[in-house]
Amino acid sequence: GAVVSQHPSWVICKSGTSVKIECRSLDFQATTMFWYRQFPKQSLMLMATSNEGSKATYEQGVEKDKFLINHASLTLSTLTVTSAHPEDSSFYICSAFPGQGAKNIQYFGAGTRLSVL
Amino acid sequence: GNSVTQMEGPVTLSEEAFLTINCTYTATGYPSLFWYVQYPGEGLQLLLKATKADDKGSNKGFEATYRKETTSFHLEKGSVQVSDSAVYFCALSDQGGGNKLTFGTGTQLKVEL
Repeated sequence: GAVVSQHPSWVICKSGTSVKIECRSLDFQATTMFWYRQFPKQSLMLMATSNEGSKATYEQGVEKDKFLINHASLTLSTLTVTSAHPEDSSFYICSAFPGQGAKNIQYFGAGTRLSVL
Repeated sequence: GNSVTQMEGPVTLSEEAFLTINCTYTATGYPSLFWYVQYPGEGLQLLLKATKADDKGSNKGFEATYRKETTSFHLEKGSVQVSDSAVYFCALSDQGGGNKLTFGTGTQLKVEL
């Protein structure tokens, strides 16, 4: 089946530093990738939608200058949390959509737990 | 806007018990409905889906029927196993899988021997 790899799975950083999270579709090309954020005991909240070669579309309330998304190729999207602060600590999950087809669904990575000290 | 409400967990059942996890939704138009499952340490996996009213999605013994009249998509399984222990998310999208998903809060299921 379609595999999405997310790296790193867990990162701890100091306040004020930047952290980059990678999301790769290993065996398919993703026309669209999505980035979600999940707080403990809460739902996944969509942060942004990215299409290869174009600027990401951010959901209302998500700071685009803080959460930089780069969708450089059809198999890789990155989320950079700039100048991270403790309130950015969360679980970040990406998904990749291969396009209209037999399954027409998103495939999810295992998530990245970010802890900002 | 769209929203999904699902029952809070954790739900603890004995093996071979009947499972129901309730899910109701609010959406304009005719959304597609999904159940995703997240096993410990893994990403979300699609469990089943339904794209129109009265459709029944099924997989691995799990079933859910798209009920437009009650705006519900309850997940059921006749006999759960320990290996079904996971977090289950109900979700919807406006048009198929390529559009953004709106998730419920997730329901943790624990199945004990």
